[in-house]
Amino acid sequence: QKEVEQDPGPLSVPEGAIVSLNCTYSNSAFQYFMWYRQYSRKGPELLMYTYSSGNKEDGRFTAQVDKSSKYISLFIRDSQPSDSATYLCAMKGQGAQKLVFGQGTRLTINP
Amino acid sequence: EPEVTQTPSHQVTQMGQEVILRCVPISNHLYFYWYRQILGQKVEFLVSFYNNEISEKSEIFDDQFSVERPDGSNFTLKIRSTKLEDSAMYFCASSDRFNQPQHFGDGTRLSIL
Repeated sequence: QKEVEQDPGPLSVPEGAIVSLNCTYSNSAFQYFMWYRQYSRKGPELLMYTYSSGNKEDGRFTAQVDKSSKYISLFIRDSQPSDSATYLCAMKGQGAQKLVFGQGTRLTINP
Repeated sequence: EPEVTQTPSHQVTQMGQEVILRCVPISNHLYFYWYRQILGQKVEFLVSFYNNEISEKSEIFDDQFSVERPDGSNFTLKIRSTKLEDSAMYFCASSDRFNQPQHFGDGTRLSIL
């Protein structure tokens, strides 16, 4: 079983739709969970950073972590064409420094 | 907003040659990292660096790789004898403290011929 699994997509939705992106993981030691956005030919840009289980909201973005199910989600409300990018989930353990990334989901928002 | 900068954006090198990738982390950050992304694959951790020494490294980071902080602002990754399979995007990242978010640069595309 892969340590972090993420559906690579591609995912295409109309502008204004709610987008749901997900990752599952197998390592119960993971405590910190992140979502990065990566535009073409750019580096990963941090969107959300959460510790342990629960929800976190920042503008149109909401991150959810369910440690009991080993499942994390990112919701994007009122999606915009500028949200078109690859979204990467990443996670790490309490005592670790390395981030373990998912494959990335390629998202396109159609005007 | 402060950012991590990497140079060059694209490096083309002959197989067997040494290459140095350069990074300027965010100025008040203390932890530095290198990751790589082979085309079509996941971003993979290579190494982390704190207090002038390697604090964690992956199996990928073998004897042909080394890192250095030659001065107060730069952080470098050296590959001693490049192989074709070293072709990838190399990302530098930094964080201000342990367990704090890692911020990435835009990467150096390394092409080995």
